[in-house]
Amino acid sequence: DTEVTQTPKHLVMGMTNKKSLKCEQHMGHRAMYWYKQKAKKPPELMFVYSYEKLSINESVPSRFSPECPNSSLLNLHLHALQPEDSALYLCASSRDYSYNEQFFGPGTRLTVL
Amino acid sequence: GDSVTQMEGPVTLSEEAFLTINCTYTATGYPSLFWYVQYPGEGLQLLLKATKADDKGSNKGFEATYRKETTSFHLEKGSVQVSDSAVYFCALSPNTGNQFYFGTGTSLTVIP
Repeated sequence: DTEVTQTPKHLVMGMTNKKSLKCEQHMGHRAMYWYKQKAKKPPELMFVYSYEKLSINESVPSRFSPECPNSSLLNLHLHALQPEDSALYLCASSRDYSYNEQFFGPGTRLTVL
Repeated sequence: GDSVTQMEGPVTLSEEAFLTINCTYTATGYPSLFWYVQYPGEGLQLLLKATKADDKGSNKGFEATYRKETTSFHLEKGSVQVSDSAVYFCALSPNTGNQFYFGTGTSLTVIP
């Protein structure tokens, strides 16, 4: 299985809602990543988990809260988002943090009203 | 710091035309270089990669050669198809850690 899966595919939420994005991989990878991608732009790194520990937080606002419950699963908890947070959220994984080929999921298209 | 400069788009080609998308990089040491493709409404897929100078990555008819002397990793395909319409990202990963530096992306549209 060489796939990274993400759910849901689409999400619409209000600014007062709490929601979560889920990412899963079964390749035995020990590094997982969250990216944010705005239209017609490259992905921007948000968080990196290495061996289930948060190793990089790219100064992301606290309304985004990542969680890595186990080596296969990565969540992104969302609370009190702003309309400018509307974007495609991509999850990726790699064998470990020193191995530089990343596998990306299909993304969750988030719209904040 | 490390960076990638990618050819501006959008690019529109007729089917069976030759494709070149330019990519140059700035990096210390010996980074790995990648081309990712993003089809409409989808995530990024690794298209090809090269990890050292003079390596040629190839996949699905696409090729790119890691040129250290010109710090380039241009993407080429001899005969494009309508199904190649997508956004192409050049990316660099330093040889330590796994930070990725993406280019701005080049949108390709192939018309029949």
